[in-house]
Amino acid sequence: RKEVEQDPGPFNVPEGATVAFNCTYSNSASQSFFWYRQDCRKEPKLLMSVYSSGNEDGRFTAQLNRASQYISLLIRDSKLSDSATYLCVVNSGYSTLTFGKGTMLLVSP
Amino acid sequence: DGGITQSPKYLFRKEGQNVTLSCEQNLNHDAMYWYRQDPGQGLRLIYYSQIVNDFQKGDIAEGYSVSREKKESFPLTVTSAQKNPTAFYLCASSGSDREDYGYTFGSGTRLTVV
Repeated sequence: RKEVEQDPGPFNVPEGATVAFNCTYSNSASQSFFWYRQDCRKEPKLLMSVYSSGNEDGRFTAQLNRASQYISLLIRDSKLSDSATYLCVVNSGYSTLTFGKGTMLLVSP
Repeated sequence: DGGITQSPKYLFRKEGQNVTLSCEQNLNHDAMYWYRQDPGQGLRLIYYSQIVNDFQKGDIAEGYSVSREKKESFPLTVTSAQKNPTAFYLCASSGSDREDYGYTFGSGTRLTVV
């Protein structure tokens, strides 16, 4: 089983739609979880950390299910500027982070 | 402004040459990392360093070397032993708050073998 698995997409949605991405991880000892955003040919940038209680930042909501080793990201009211690749990131237990391959989102007018 | 700077942005290497990618940070972060990204692939860890004068191999260290003589600097050398070096190389750093804030990345270096 791969350490961090994501559906590569692309997810094609119209502006204003709600879209959800999922991610599973294999290391049950993982303690830190993140969603990063990566634009084409750019570096990844932190979108949000994911906490056990779930957290929300504007239109973005992240959830963590430790029992199922599952993380989700919900984007409401999608904007054209949300088009990017979203990386699920988990700490590997060796003070380093393991990155999923990413899910591509394309928001169309 | 604090940040992490990678140079050059683009680098062309002839086969058989060694090249060094620069990474400098002024965030006062203890830990620094090098990742490689290939098209359609995730980031793969090459080397990391948690403190000056110490570093560890990541998942794909073969054909690469690093040094950490200063806290601010973590250069990566791509040696001629690296058989497929064409990729996007990303340097990152993290502080004691990485459990909450993860890594900060530089803007990357695109290396092409010609």
